[in-house]
Amino acid sequence: DGGITQSPKYLFRKEGQNVTLSCEQNLNHDAMYWYRQDPGQGLRLIYYSQIVNDFQKGDIAEGYSVSREKKESFPLTVTSAQKNPTAFYLCASSLRTGYTDTQYFGPGTRLTVL
Amino acid sequence: GQQLNQSPQSMFIQEGEDVSMNCTSSSIFNTWLWYKQDPGEGPVLLIALYKAGELTSNGRLTAQFGITRKDSFLNISASIPSDVGIYFCAGSETSGSRLTFGEGTQLTVNP
Repeated sequence: DGGITQSPKYLFRKEGQNVTLSCEQNLNHDAMYWYRQDPGQGLRLIYYSQIVNDFQKGDIAEGYSVSREKKESFPLTVTSAQKNPTAFYLCASSLRTGYTDTQYFGPGTRLTVL
Repeated sequence: GQQLNQSPQSMFIQEGEDVSMNCTSSSIFNTWLWYKQDPGEGPVLLIALYKAGELTSNGRLTAQFGITRKDSFLNISASIPSDVGIYFCAGSETSGSRLTFGEGTQLTVNP
């Protein structure tokens, strides 16, 4: 069945290491997004991509990088330059229409830096 | 980015009570969305609203797109324990623009 998958569910890394979070969707959606969520807070946009081979910075892009080589996949790399990487990361996708861009979310990845 | 003003921040209610929460924006929106997030999971879309004045129901949930296009309301009737979670509103100003999210309403339902 269709949906958005994120892996792994839990991820631990040592300080100074880069780590890549996976996001895959089989909904045939054009646009994909990465958000960060900290305890008790809302969602903050990291990066988004409206089409393959193109992406834009969101509000908190520093210390993160992305790629969009395939329509189905939008991996996020948390680099060692990210000062406070421990957080819950959510991937979303939307079907671009001329009317609205309702976003659907994956189950999330909880990243903990040790 | 712009933030929506979502209230209340938290609610503690008894099972069977009705619940109401709302979001307001300083900008005019053309889409309002309501999501529910369970602990450790991604948000799940509950209701999507696309026209000013629109009133849409999904089971015990009802949401409205405010006439001014600057606010939206979510009501839950006859709450049950599984309604516990965080409810987020989100809106977009134009088609193709980014979503702006509220900070969430934490709902606790006591049996």
